[in-house]
Amino acid sequence: GNSVTQMEGPVTLSEEAFLTINCTYTATGYPSLFWYVQYPGEGLQLLLKATKADDKGSNKGFEATYRKETTSFHLEKGSVQVSDSAVYFCALSLSGAGSYQLTFGKGTKLSVIP
Amino acid sequence: DAMVIQNPRYQVTQFGKPVTLSCSQTLNHNVMYWYQQKSSQAPKLLFHYYDKDFNNEADTPDNFQSRRPNTSFCFLDIRSPGLGDAAMYLCATSGGTGGHETQYFGPGTRLLVL
Repeated sequence: GNSVTQMEGPVTLSEEAFLTINCTYTATGYPSLFWYVQYPGEGLQLLLKATKADDKGSNKGFEATYRKETTSFHLEKGSVQVSDSAVYFCALSLSGAGSYQLTFGKGTKLSVIP
Repeated sequence: DAMVIQNPRYQVTQFGKPVTLSCSQTLNHNVMYWYQQKSSQAPKLLFHYYDKDFNNEADTPDNFQSRRPNTSFCFLDIRSPGLGDAAMYLCATSGGTGGHETQYFGPGTRLLVL
């Protein structure tokens, strides 16, 4: 079956520190990969996505590269801010007719302190 | 702005008292989803509609039902809420030119069962 494994949290960083949240996946076929962010008490917001190998998704200073050879989609940001404190979910979706389920990782809580 | 709207944001009900949560969307997407998210967990898909076709996940309890009267609206009915049904309920949509692989989430309704 399909699965997503992401690093356990919580992760605590000082403002302006470098962020990496690891995400690896197993899937039958060629999935699309996503990072969603959930701020406290809110729904999920799409942060970035990549639909094929070697694609790089980027948004708000975050980026992740679809690495087929290592089945990974690690999230990075060069300089985090307090406002980046949230839970980050890595997810995959298999494209094609009838495949509508997102498979999520367990989420990684990030806290950024001033 | 096109969006997914959920009302109410917070809902309190009594044990065993039916409750309905609502979702509307202005994205004109043909697929709508309902997820349950418990504290510190990833969202869990309950069911989805592809247009008017209802698709239930195998492990979704019978206590959960859904209605989609038109493209824009979708309802989640919990017939007899138990204490274990207290959670965040997330609505999502997909479709349009972006295809079905990317889901867009609403802000969620937090349900409290007394």
